[in-house]
Amino acid sequence: DADVTQTPRNRITKTGKRIMLECSQTKGHDRMYWYRQDPGLGLRLIYYSFDVKDINKGEISDGYSVSRQAQAKFSLSLESAIPNQTALYFCATSGGTSHQETQYFGPGTRLLVL
Amino acid sequence: GQSLEQPSEVTAVEGAIVQINCTYQTSGFYGLSWYQQHDGGAPTFLSYNGLDGLEETGRFSSFLSRSDSYGYLLLQELQMKDSASYFCAVEFIGQNFVFGPGTRLSVLP
Repeated sequence: DADVTQTPRNRITKTGKRIMLECSQTKGHDRMYWYRQDPGLGLRLIYYSFDVKDINKGEISDGYSVSRQAQAKFSLSLESAIPNQTALYFCATSGGTSHQETQYFGPGTRLLVL
Repeated sequence: GQSLEQPSEVTAVEGAIVQINCTYQTSGFYGLSWYQQHDGGAPTFLSYNGLDGLEETGRFSSFLSRSDSYGYLLLQELQMKDSASYFCAVEFIGQNFVFGPGTRLSVLP
């Protein structure tokens, strides 16, 4: 079984709709991250969380919100989707008691906003 | 600001050696990581340099020089399956990450 799972894997929505992308992990990691990937731009950090009570904005948080429901679950919401939020979204985790060099990525969610 | 630069594309033949460079304009980070991503897949961890110098992991090696704000990934004995995108990433104190734009490696027969 995959250690980091994302649902849905693909989603088509319309402009103005609210949608939620979900991430679950079984690695027991405290730290979770949401990224979006656009061609030629690599991975850009949206939000990250070091534990259930900690939420931090990343490079491109505008238009997004997150919820850390439990250590294992980290959800990303688009309150009112717009076409330029069409992208590939990845959830990732990392663990350890100090800085951790490795991130483990989920399979990604491909989102199309019409 | 925090930014990393990589060549957008690199092409090499099977069996060759290729070096993918990563230059950065930042400070105060723990280390430089490298990730591989095949088309349609998720990024997977390859290598990490917390200290200056060379780290070797099988056919892959990675190098970091903080004084030169520079690192590279070295792939030896290239195989067709190495065709993928490669990303450098910096882990900042505070545990957030910044990724480079990625280098697409094409391995030709």
